[in-house]
Amino acid sequence: DAKTTQPTSMDCAEGRAANLPCNHSTISGNEYVYWYRQIHSQGPQYIIHGLKNNETNEMASLIITEDRKSSTLILPHATLRDTAVYYCIVSVGQGGKLIFGQGTELSVKP
Amino acid sequence: GAGVSQSPSNKVTEKGKDVELRCDPISGHTALYWYRQSLGQGLEFLIYFQGNSAPDKSGLPSDRFSAERTGGSVSTLTIQRTQQEDSAVYLCASSRQVVDEKLFFGSGTQLSVL
Repeated sequence: DAKTTQPTSMDCAEGRAANLPCNHSTISGNEYVYWYRQIHSQGPQYIIHGLKNNETNEMASLIITEDRKSSTLILPHATLRDTAVYYCIVSVGQGGKLIFGQGTELSVKP
Repeated sequence: GAGVSQSPSNKVTEKGKDVELRCDPISGHTALYWYRQSLGQGLEFLIYFQGNSAPDKSGLPSDRFSAERTGGSVSTLTIQRTQQEDSAVYLCASSRQVVDEKLFFGSGTQLSVL
């Protein structure tokens, strides 16, 4: 699986949009971009995934650049409960071995 | 059940003892995964099951670690002759099928080896 690069930490003001970047310059054509998050003392939680097109669900939006070498996860109105470590993962979708990196520790502040 | 259930939530054991960790996946999910997370670290893949078979055991740290799954449902991760470096949170996840990488995680078992 391709490697991803994320900032170690980010801050965001409550109520503002949180934009979390991820670089995956060696991504292959058949690899998806997945985002998970892990709130302290809990197991990771799936957020969203995409291949080429931008995606939106009730939790977040995923913007993938045209060359697919980077992506941005957007939490439109961050709340204190969004404080967590956010993991960007690329995978071919053939199962099993999702490789979690160190992720971005997002702190949402009042 | 509604989610992935793991037991026990906490386990304290003495070095050299064997431990068994249990995972109850979401009903109907054919794929099951074990990860572990040491303090302040990212998730380390251990093993996954498709049904009752484990196509990829490459993440198991040593031969002291084994896992089985019976009836396509409950899985047990066994650590023999535990060492202090085995102390970690052991996380289980399941998905509808192996190609569906929308994983649902349990809350984990915190293992402390004294």
